[in-house]
Amino acid sequence: AQTVTQSQPEMSVQEAETVTLSCTYDTSESDYYLFWYKQPPSRQMILVIRQEAYKQQNATENRFSVNFQKAAKSFSLKISDSQLGDAAMYFCAYRSAPRAAGNKLTFGGGTRVLVKP
Amino acid sequence: DTGVSQDPRHKITKRGQNVTFRCDPISEHNRLYWYRQTLGQGPEFLTYFQNEAQLEKSRLLSDRFSAERPKGSFSTLEIQRTEQGDSAMYLCASSMGLAGPYNEQFFGPGTRLTVL
Repeated sequence: AQTVTQSQPEMSVQEAETVTLSCTYDTSESDYYLFWYKQPPSRQMILVIRQEAYKQQNATENRFSVNFQKAAKSFSLKISDSQLGDAAMYFCAYRSAPRAAGNKLTFGGGTRVLVKP
Repeated sequence: DTGVSQDPRHKITKRGQNVTFRCDPISEHNRLYWYRQTLGQGPEFLTYFQNEAQLEKSRLLSDRFSAERPKGSFSTLEIQRTEQGDSAMYLCASSMGLAGPYNEQFFGPGTRLTVL
């Protein structure tokens, strides 16, 4: 079974600064996908960014980028130019690639991001 | 609103009572997932449907839990003889069921269950 670990319960960042959230995972699979989800205080989960394990290039979505280190099983999220609206819980998630696996997500415990004005 | 909807948003019940939650997925999505999220934790997978077929159930889904998706549209999650440990946010998500990373799961707002 796969596990996802987020070691930072809470991170604080000044508005316009950069913050990096850590995520490590454990799997014996070679093909999988990794995701970062944002859960604002209203609690509806939103996909922030995704990474395919077979791609070495790190994914980027506007101010959000990842540092994917497959050998180290590490998948960190960098939020640049932090905005007040970035304040939320962030979850790292893993999904097996084969369609037969059902596409279920395995989540980490989450990191709360606080943005100071 | 074409997103995933859940009803009710909040439910308070007494221990031992039965509760039922409903999820309406995005209309063209054939996969529907249920997750449970306890306070301060990440969501945990409970079960998923491909159309009306329930294809996988987590060990978290005890005999007191049952989920259905009649006609492959909306889904219900019923908890019988609720226990205080059932208190959590129950999240529903839906997706197209395609292969690949772009088969995004869209989440609903959740139903928060409090068992007194």
